[in-house]
Parts: sequence; C-alpha cells; structure tokens
Amino acid sequence: DAGVIQSPRHEVTEMGQEVTLRCKPISGHNSLFWYRQTMMRGLELLIYFNNNVPIDDSGMPEDRFSAKMPNASFSTLKIQPSEPRDSAVYFCASSKDRNTGELFFGEGSRLTVL
Amino acid sequence: AQSVTQPDIHITVSEGASLELRCNYSYGATPYLFWYVQSPGQGLQLLLKYFSGDTLVQGIKGFEAEFKRSQSSFNLRKPSVHWSDAAEYFCAVVNQAGTALIFGKGTTLSVSS
Repeated sequence: DAGVIQSPRHEVTEMGQEVTLRCKPISGHNSLFWYRQTMMRGLELLIYFNNNVPIDDSGMPEDRFSAKMPNASFSTLKIQPSEPRDSAVYFCASSKDRNTGELFFGEGSRLTVL
Repeated sequence: AQSVTQPDIHITVSEGASLELRCNYSYGATPYLFWYVQSPGQGLQLLLKYFSGDTLVQGIKGFEAEFKRSQSSFNLRKPSVHWSDAAEYFCAVVNQAGTALIFGKGTTLSVSS
C-alpha cells in the first residue's frame, strides 16, 4: 500500500491567503485524523472523521479552519484567512479501527505563513 | 482528562549504550498506550503498543516498553542504541472516548559516537 499521502509537502504563503492541505488515507481505513505539530504545543488533534463524518472537531482552533471529507479517499484542511501563528506541520493520519489507536501518518505538510 | 508527560525534552546517549525514555500518563481506567518515533522530515511510525495482558511489550527495531500501573508509567527501553535511532519519540494514550490519540510533547534522542 502507498501509505497516507499528503500534499503539498511544503507551502509558503502570505498572511491573509487561503491555504488548502490535502490528504489521501490508506485504502480501507475508515478513520482519518488531522494533527498540527508545533514546537510550543507539540502534536494537537484538530479533527477526526469516521466513515467520512466529522466526529470531533473540538481541536479546530477557530472558524478560520475547516475540514472536509467528501469521500473515503480524500480529505482537505482549509485555513482562510491564514495567519503567521498558523505556521506548523500539519499531519494527516488514518486508522483501520478507531478503537485500536494504531494510526498511520503521512509525511506532513509544512506550512509557513509570512 | 487524559494526559501524557514526557519529562525529558532531549537525551543524548552513546552508541551501544542502553536507553530508557520516560513516559507518565494520567488516565482513570486501564489505558491504551503507544510509542511512536518520528525521524526528521517524516511522519510518525508506531514502535509498539500496550492494550492489556503482559506488561512488557516488544516492538520494532529492538525496542520494548513496560507498563507499570503503580507508577502510571510506560517507559521505552532499548539495550543497545544505534546511530540510526536518533529521532524524536512520542508517547501517546487513547482518549477517554476511544476515538483519538493524545500525544506527549516528545523526547529528542541524540546518539553520540
């Protein structure tokens, strides 16, 4: 299997611009997670989908952040408008069974907002 | 609420020496515990997990971890470290809803020759 695929790997943008991060989970996995990693806060769960339905979005920082999963093989995380404090590495992970906690991570999207 | 504490931000170990990375958790019931490793520029990879049963669990790359309920700990060990083990290590616990992982802040391991 190809693993979890994220794009872009790196994104540099200016404050106020819209950013869209993409994720393709492992085929057959029915749970998808978006995490954000920063030096200060470590790994934070932003949102979790199960069978394409958002289950827990309590980690989404504010209304500027939104996430969708239109089908089992694709998810997006959108930031609009972006701010410098959004600079981080954003990871997508998928899981076959949400109760095992065994997550498979993508390589991450490093976002820099100037 | 569940939480994970990794007391050591950075550890340096000589190649061939033994390693122990500390992890303490806060959880009411029996936790599901994990150790992940992250190499530079990469995503996280599962090293090992504990759900129940034998409190000493074996993982990949020669790592093991021991669950100690009395100490609320799940420390990661390796008897002989290799230079390729230099990475960041994360301890994690499943949240109470059983839906996602809560990660510690991580411990960066450096290996000296």
